[in-house]
Amino acid sequence: GNSVTQMEGPVTLSEEAFLTINCTYTATGYPSLFWYVQYPGEGLQLLLKATKADDKGSNKGFEATYRKETTSFHLEKGSVQVSDSAVYFCALSSNFGNEKLTFGTGTRLTIIP
Amino acid sequence: DVKVTQSSRYLVKRTGEKVFLECVQDMDHENMFWYRQDPGLGLRLIYFSYDVKMKEKGDIPEGYSVSREKKERFSLILESASTNQTSMYLCASSSRLVYTGELFFGEGSRLTVL
Repeated sequence: GNSVTQMEGPVTLSEEAFLTINCTYTATGYPSLFWYVQYPGEGLQLLLKATKADDKGSNKGFEATYRKETTSFHLEKGSVQVSDSAVYFCALSSNFGNEKLTFGTGTRLTIIP
Repeated sequence: DVKVTQSSRYLVKRTGEKVFLECVQDMDHENMFWYRQDPGLGLRLIYFSYDVKMKEKGDIPEGYSVSREKKERFSLILESASTNQTSMYLCASSSRLVYTGELFFGEGSRLTVL
């Protein structure tokens, strides 16, 4: 079956530090890959996505590249801000059209000024 | 602004009570989902629905049922609440006709079963 493995948190960084949150996956076929973010007290929202190998998703300074050879979709940001403090979820969808997502366990990120 | 609204942010119930969690979306989406969020386990799919009156089991349906009588509303039912159902419940919706892979989530309902 499908599965997503994320690096365990919590992760604490200083403002302006470089961020990497690792994500690897197991899936049949050619899944689409996603990063969702959950800010405190809110529901999840889509941060970025990639639908085929070598695609790079980007949004709000975050990037992730779909690497089929390493089955990975690591999230990166060059300079984090306090407002980036949130829980980040990696997810995949292997069925085109029904958007049934399989999520990772989530990584809590805290940025200190 | 697109919106998924969950009826209760916080609920406290007793073991054995019947619990209803309501979710309404205003985007005319075909797909609706109920997930459960637990620390260290991430989000796990309980049930989903592709259309009115249609439902399919997710990964952890035991102890839950759902109802979708209208397109905009998807209800999660705990027939007899137990302490191991204490959790955060998230409702989501998405378009079936226009595939983007994006789910729109509500803010969640935190249920405590005593």
